Amino acid sequence: SAVISQKPSRDICQRGTSLTIQCQVDSQVTMMFWYRQQPGQSLTLIATANQGSEATYESGFVIDKFPISRPNLTFSTLTVSNMSPEDSSIYLCSVDLRQSYGYTFGSGTRLTVV
Amino acid sequence: GENVEQHPSTLSVQEGDSAVIKCTYSDSASNYFPWYKQELGKRPQLIIDIRSNVGEKKDQRIAVTLNKTAKHFSLHITETQPEDSAVYFCAASPISGYSTLTFGKGTMLLVSP
Repeated sequence: SAVISQKPSRDICQRGTSLTIQCQVDSQVTMMFWYRQQPGQSLTLIATANQGSEATYESGFVIDKFPISRPNLTFSTLTVSNMSPEDSSIYLCSVDLRQSYGYTFGSGTRLTVV
Repeated sequence: GENVEQHPSTLSVQEGDSAVIKCTYSDSASNYFPWYKQELGKRPQLIIDIRSNVGEKKDQRIAVTLNKTAKHFSLHITETQPEDSAVYFCAASPISGYSTLTFGKGTMLLVSP
């Protein structure tokens, strides 16, 4: 299965600031996905990142708040902008290897906004 | 869009018992159904998946069944062990091309020794 490296693993940020989360995959993948998991909740898709085109955002998520970059087939970043305490959550990147292994998740970034 | 319902939200069993978690989905185009196990503080891990051309799939103590007509699928864990304690998520997706997964709300399984 693919190895996905995500960083930072956790951070405590001041409200109003921004945090960029990085996701690196050890193989080339067409699509990368960014999820949010609020405490005790399920996984909610933020956006799908396709290399060479703008990310596709799900209802309730906007590019100004969660800008995404996908510069190549192995890397993506998610920025959480102008943070508020409500953004405190775990953010996970994921890739689709369903041809053999299905969706694989990064280790997650635990974000606390104070 | 797809909607996935998962039940129960919590499930407590004694070690050695069986556990069953059930999910229903709404989109008849969905044909890929994975199950994930998430231990506390860790990432979700794929434990088993099933595609719509198969009615049942087994892997040691875990099995998944699918009823496409009724749009429901279930996870079965036999001979449960304390290390099976975790949150389990079902999900559904169309398989054509690369499509996004829609997750259920999760089931917290507690296996008591």
